Amino acid sequence: GAGVSQTPSNKVTEKGKYVELRCDPISGHTALYWYRQSLGQGPEFLIYFQGTGAADDSGLPNDRFFAVRPEGSVSTLKIQRTERGDSAVYLCASSLNEGRTYEQYFGPGTRLTVT
Amino acid sequence: LAKTTQPISMDSYEGQEVNITCSHNNIATNDYITWYQQFPSQGPRFIIQGYKTKVTNEVASLFIPADRKSSTLSLPRVSLSDTAVYYCLVAPNAGNNRKLIWGLGTSLAVNP
Repeated sequence: GAGVSQTPSNKVTEKGKYVELRCDPISGHTALYWYRQSLGQGPEFLIYFQGTGAADDSGLPNDRFFAVRPEGSVSTLKIQRTERGDSAVYLCASSLNEGRTYEQYFGPGTRLTVT
Repeated sequence: LAKTTQPISMDSYEGQEVNITCSHNNIATNDYITWYQQFPSQGPRFIIQGYKTKVTNEVASLFIPADRKSSTLSLPRVSLSDTAVYYCLVAPNAGNNRKLIWGLGTSLAVNP
């Protein structure tokens, strides 16, 4: 079946602009996670959705970052007034959260470059 | 969340068995150990998870000693395509929030 998809695959924007990154999770997966990854580093947790609600947004670095998942499926990560330090690969993952599995299915990521 | 320590890099050759050991001295009673693999320009991929003793699947084995303060991921007969970064993570069994806290991982290079 289809895996997690993310669009766009690459986004170049100028400092100060607004960007939206989209994640299409695996159908039926109730849990959705956003991470970001800088070069040479492991992914960094940003936000977790269970259904439509943001159950844990403790990883969002500041109030320029916001994410939604209005119908419990597709999610959009929104970044206002982008800064060069926001440049990274933004990864989305989904899972069923059944039993005791920690298996999350990751998309290919969106590479964001802020110039 | 328990911190993990693993080698930054490892080298191996095709056909060899590779063992990557991860230290997690502060692991809590309810924590699970999970390993992910990441190829360049791709998202991470789940390999295996375990709580104690040994777990084996079609890809790898995971060995966890009785004190659970470390774990070893074993990759049998590696090939060039196993060149990737391998992450060891310790995750609490705390309800639905399964957020993962990542370290730097181990960069494995498999040589011909």
